Amino acid sequence: EVQLVESGGDVVRPGGSLRLSCAASGFTFEDYGMSWVRQAPGKGLEYVSGINWNGGSTDYADFVEGRFTISRDNAKNSLYLQMNSLRADDTALYHCVKRAYYDRSGSAFDFWGQGTLVTVSS
Amino acid sequence: DIQMTQSPSSLSASVGDRVTITCRASQTISSYLNWYQLKPGKVPMLLIYAASSLQRGVPSRFSGSGSGTDFTLTISSLQPEDFATYYCQQSYSPPHTFGQGTKVEIK
Repeated sequence: EVQLVESGGDVVRPGGSLRLSCAASGFTFEDYGMSWVRQAPGKGLEYVSGINWNGGSTDYADFVEGRFTISRDNAKNSLYLQMNSLRADDTALYHCVKRAYYDRSGSAFDFWGQGTLVTVSS
Repeated sequence: DIQMTQSPSSLSASVGDRVTITCRASQTISSYLNWYQLKPGKVPMLLIYAASSLQRGVPSRFSGSGSGTDFTLTISSLQPEDFATYYCQQSYSPPHTFGQGTKVEIK
């Protein structure tokens, strides 16, 4: 059974930093790309960042503006999101998601973690 | 980033109704379009990938169509468990952006 368990969410002041972690199990972690998706209170789903199977390729939404860094440790079956210069509008539930590839280019998110809550407030 | 625009933002429908949600991309994305269902307190569930392929375990009343910039999600006969918010997402070019969502409510 695929499991994605996020941790690291907390209450932090504007300008602060947090590191989110995601522990993966039930599949061969090193074979899959992974991503972070967030949902702010009362808002929709928002793609944050993605990373390929070996960490050699990463991507970020425009709003990240160089503040976040995605990484992975395949030996530990773990995904991370280092978040710096946090703002109030970063307040959200952050989900770790597994990518499923259905052809050379196409992918979809077939498994989602329950999420970890980040609250940015003074 | 590719912008994804869904319409309508919300709709009211009755059990048994046929429901159609549209999604438009700001540039061509071929058929790299996914649909998800989100219910309160739950994690999103993948319904459709590659514009028209049904994910394993998803009821056949859900279908998707389209290519290029214009896509639709259709629920052929709305069931009580289908009241939820639906999101499209492009996987053509990173970052893989989502639409703003369409909330399907009970009439």
